[in-house]
Amino acid sequence: EAQVTQNPRYLITVTGKKLTVTCSQNMNHEYMSWYRQDPGLGLRQIYYSMNVEVTDKGDVPEGYKVSRKEKRNFPLILESPSPNQTSLYFCASSSGTGVVAPLHFGNGTRLTVT
Amino acid sequence: AQSVTQLDSQVPVFEEAPVELRCNYSSSVSVYLFWYVQYPNQGLQLLLKYLSGSTLVESINGFEAEFNKSQTSFHLRKPSVHISDTAEYFCAVSETDKLIFGTGTRLQVFP
Repeated sequence: EAQVTQNPRYLITVTGKKLTVTCSQNMNHEYMSWYRQDPGLGLRQIYYSMNVEVTDKGDVPEGYKVSRKEKRNFPLILESPSPNQTSLYFCASSSGTGVVAPLHFGNGTRLTVT
Repeated sequence: AQSVTQLDSQVPVFEEAPVELRCNYSSSVSVYLFWYVQYPNQGLQLLLKYLSGSTLVESINGFEAEFNKSQTSFHLRKPSVHISDTAEYFCAVSETDKLIFGTGTRLQVFP
């Protein structure tokens, strides 16, 4: 089954404790992207990757890092999480950039930073 | 830069009633337009899209949206909703090589 898999689904952590949210896709997509979803703000892009070893900032990249060492994986790293990073995070992939070919989303990771 | 406005954050409606979810975008230059749906505890999935051609586009589950260039709108409609349509709906517009999402409209269908 074609899918984007994120782990974990839920995560509670404390300020400053480094964490990684994993994302993997099995569709051989070149494009992958991370979004955060906040009430009243919709989805905002954090980082995206057009291919292996190619990453770029989205609209809200501060406080986040990503890497793309393999085509299928695109982890999101929070080196020093803060409470304002409490949010619902989605990973997505596409055979295009989501403009002509659709985005395929994971089921989300709900992060709480205390 | 492109922006998307979804004026209604919540739309309550009874089952079998018609519904319209409104979406306006900022630019009149050529754009691609999308509606994504997010069912509870799931990621977003594409509902329908306008790339070119007919201004009226339809989804497989009875939703339709009409591209109106003069009004810069892409409203989503369904003539008769089901309980299973309860979800959050996001309008999105293309900007170069990425999508700009609206803030979402939560459709709540009551029996």
